[in-house]
Amino acid sequence: RKEVEQDPGPFNVPEGATVAFNCTYSNSASQSFFWYRQDCRKEPKLLMSVYSSGNEDGRFTAQLNRASQYISLLIRDSKLSDSATYLCVVNINYGQNFVFGPGTRLSVLP
Amino acid sequence: EAGVAQSPRYKIIEKRQSVAFWCNPISGHATLYWYQQILGQGPKLLIQFQNNGVVDDSQLPKDRFSAERLKGVDSTLKIQPAKLEDSAVYLCASSFRQAWGNSPLHFGNGTRLTVT
Repeated sequence: RKEVEQDPGPFNVPEGATVAFNCTYSNSASQSFFWYRQDCRKEPKLLMSVYSSGNEDGRFTAQLNRASQYISLLIRDSKLSDSATYLCVVNINYGQNFVFGPGTRLSVLP
Repeated sequence: EAGVAQSPRYKIIEKRQSVAFWCNPISGHATLYWYQQILGQGPKLLIQFQNNGVVDDSQLPKDRFSAERLKGVDSTLKIQPAKLEDSAVYLCASSFRQAWGNSPLHFGNGTRLTVT
C-alpha cells in the first residue's frame, strides 16, 4: 500500500460547482498534513495546512479524520482559476519526512 | 523575502552524460530537500539535509546520484551517468525548524531535465 493515496481524477466540473478531494495515508504516526496546489509546469505551492479541528480559508475547507486516516479538501463555488493539480502531503516524524500523494487534477470548465 | 533559487531551469543531455543542479534555499531555512517529480506523479524525496548533514537519503539512487550541502546553505545535486528514466523535474525545497517540527515546504521553480 502506498503511503499517501488520492482520488485518481481527473475531475472536470463546471464553474460554480462544489468539488471534494479525498486523501488517505497509511502511517498512523503522521503528525501534520497539508494541501498543495500545482499549476501546469510550475512548482507546488502551499494551499493550506490541515488541522485536527478542520479549517476553512475562503472557499476552501480542509478536514482531517485521524481515526480513519484520511484528509479531505472541499472547494466551493469553483472558479476557472482553481484548475490545477492538488497534492496531499503528510508529514511524518516531526518534519523529518514530507510524503506527497500522486495528486488529483481538477479542470473547472466555463 | 527571496524564494528558493534553482538553476538551470531546463537541461537536455544525452544518456550517460553527467549533469548538476544547484539550489539556494530561503535564508535561515536549515532544512533542504531535493525531490524528483516524474510527469503525472507527485514529488518523490531524493535527499533531505539538516544544515550540512544528511537526514534521509534512503531513496537516492546512490550509484548515479550524489548531493552535497557543504556549508549548510546552497546545495548541488549531480547525476552521473544519466539514464533515460531520469527525465523529470528536480525540485528543491526548504523549510525552517519550529518547536514542533519543520514548517511547510517552500519550493523553487525546479529544473526540467530531459535525457535523450
